[in-house]
Amino acid sequence: AQSVTQLDSQVPVFEEAPVELRCNYSSSVSVYLFWYVQYPNQGLQLLLKYLSGSTLVKGINGFEAEFNKSQTSFHLRKPSVHISDTAEYFCAVSYYNQGGKLIFGQGTELSVKP
Amino acid sequence: EPEVTQTPSHQVTQMGQEVILRCVPISNHLYFYWYRQILGQKVEFLVSFYNNEISEKSEIFDDQFSVERPDGSNFTLKIRSTKLEDSAMYFCASSARPSREQYFGPGTRLTVT
Repeated sequence: AQSVTQLDSQVPVFEEAPVELRCNYSSSVSVYLFWYVQYPNQGLQLLLKYLSGSTLVKGINGFEAEFNKSQTSFHLRKPSVHISDTAEYFCAVSYYNQGGKLIFGQGTELSVKP
Repeated sequence: EPEVTQTPSHQVTQMGQEVILRCVPISNHLYFYWYRQILGQKVEFLVSFYNNEISEKSEIFDDQFSVERPDGSNFTLKIRSTKLEDSAMYFCASSARPSREQYFGPGTRLTVT
């Protein structure tokens, strides 16, 4: 079955430190990959997407992610986090020619401490 | 910037009652989706809708659920007879093309008592 695994349920980090949130997906077909952010009591906001082309994609708020086909990974990174980055981050995948539904990972709670 | 809107933001209902959750997708989008998120769990796909019919539905989307696009702007999710386990946050999403980025509404928190 198709699945997305976010390896860390919680990531505590100090302000201005770098962070990496890990995401792996199961697939042998073409995929589109996304990261969404959910701030407390809010909906899901698109952070960045990989559709095709360069494997390094940049998103909003200084985040970037790298698509690695051989490792079926799409890890999210930020070189220096802010308190305001504290939120839940979801990795999601959709499969080419399979209707468009998003399959989400369990989410990673990023907690940025001063 | 266009956005997906959802009403109500919070709905409390008694078990066995019918509820209708409403969504207004982004106006030039053609693909519509409902997802739900039970507290503390991941976001789960319920149903996708295109060209006035269901494209795909998950095993969660049983006969108690239905979707409709009653006019050119609204997209609704109806739960015919709510159960306690239907308590969740329900998100509507829309996209311009299939399998591409989806834009989510703020969600409706459904509480079944």
